[in-house]
Amino acid sequence: QQQVKQSPQSLIVQKGGISIINCAYENTAFDYFPWYQQFPGKGPALLIAIRPDVSEKKEGRFTISFNKSAKQFSLHIMDSQPGDSATYFCAASKSYGGSQGNLIFGKGTKLSVKP
Amino acid sequence: SAVISQKPSRDICQRGTSLTIQCQVDSQVTMMFWYRQQPGQSLTLIATANQGSEATYESGFVIDKFPISRPNLTFSTLTVSNMSPEDSSIYLCSVGTDLNEKLFFGSGTQLSVL
Repeated sequence: QQQVKQSPQSLIVQKGGISIINCAYENTAFDYFPWYQQFPGKGPALLIAIRPDVSEKKEGRFTISFNKSAKQFSLHIMDSQPGDSATYFCAASKSYGGSQGNLIFGKGTKLSVKP
Repeated sequence: SAVISQKPSRDICQRGTSLTIQCQVDSQVTMMFWYRQQPGQSLTLIATANQGSEATYESGFVIDKFPISRPNLTFSTLTVSNMSPEDSSIYLCSVGTDLNEKLFFGSGTQLSVL
């Protein structure tokens, strides 16, 4: 019940295309769903996050779509660029006291955007 | 946001030895977290370190193996004790902020145990 399942494991997209990464969770108590971007040799950086009270959140080229009934959420990267090539992690947690330390992470998706 | 400095950035250690990883934050934070990222794998929370109290360890992690110190609101250390090759991983320090939900990560310590 604590797992977050992420797919695909790797993804190759042409420059200008749309990258889509999917995640599914089981624990209905989760109420915070962030996406992290990690470049080689760096720690993960928060990209965008969503709570279950909305079905979509957009920040620039990055959009999270959230389906509460299906317990699924996805990251869409529009107009993908070579600079977006990184590993992306979805995560989920039960918020408490405003701090999100106990995140359950997916296994990651390695995105390569070809020029 | 928070700026997190982690040292060392990488190390190669011999089996049976210990390594202490330092984490310095540029602002005072209540909660600090230590994660492990095994090669090609996801991130797993090792423990939560609050200043002034014992660290709280997640299932599968014990204090004897991963002792943690949290002497003040900007600093923490994680020691990987009696290392074996299975401990080869990236160890990441992270902090949460009290007023929002964001979790910030340091650049990590790449540990290789021979």
